Amino acid sequence: KAGVTQTPRYLIKTRGQQVTLSCSPISGHRSVSWYQQTPGQGLQFLFEYFSETQRNKGNFPGRFSGRQFSNSRSEMNVSTLELGDSALYLCASRDRDQETQYFGPGTRLLVL
Amino acid sequence: AQSVTQLGSHVSVSEGALVLLRCNYSSSVPPYLFWYVQYPNQGLQLLLKYTSAATLVKGINGFEAEFKKSETSFHLTKPSAHMSDAAEYFCAVRVSGGYNKLIFGAGTRLAVHP
Repeated sequence: KAGVTQTPRYLIKTRGQQVTLSCSPISGHRSVSWYQQTPGQGLQFLFEYFSETQRNKGNFPGRFSGRQFSNSRSEMNVSTLELGDSALYLCASRDRDQETQYFGPGTRLLVL
Repeated sequence: AQSVTQLGSHVSVSEGALVLLRCNYSSSVPPYLFWYVQYPNQGLQLLLKYTSAATLVKGINGFEAEFKKSETSFHLTKPSAHMSDAAEYFCAVRVSGGYNKLIFGAGTRLAVHP
């Protein structure tokens, strides 16, 4: 099976803009989670979706949002970008009854 | 609340030497614990996981970890380091009742020198 894919891999935006990142989970996986990785804060949980419903949310401002489509693909959106949003955004998918999350290669976002 | 502490942000070993990366967790319930590895410019790859079965868990690339409840530890070891093991390693605990939510340690960067 193909792994988790994320697009785009790299992105440069300016402050105040918004951005949408995409994640395609492993075929058959219905759960998708998003994480932000920065040198200062490390890996932090953003949110999790299962069957198009957000099941869990991390401690991030409302500028961070996401959604999941009927084919389990997920997008996350960050509005009004700030310099501190520069990070590697990782998506992970999980099979229904399994504990393991499988991560994609990430999208590296640079906000100037 | 669950948490993970990785002792040592940087570890350096010689090729062929023992690798020991330390992880301590805090959890009020039996935890699910994971070790992931991250190579430069890549995502996270699962090395191994503990899910309350055997306390000694074997993973990929010769790594293993032992769950010790009395010490609340889940240290990662490899008998003989290889140059290709140089990467960043993350210990994580799955939040109980938190479905997919993982709490990660700060990571340990492993350097392997000839």
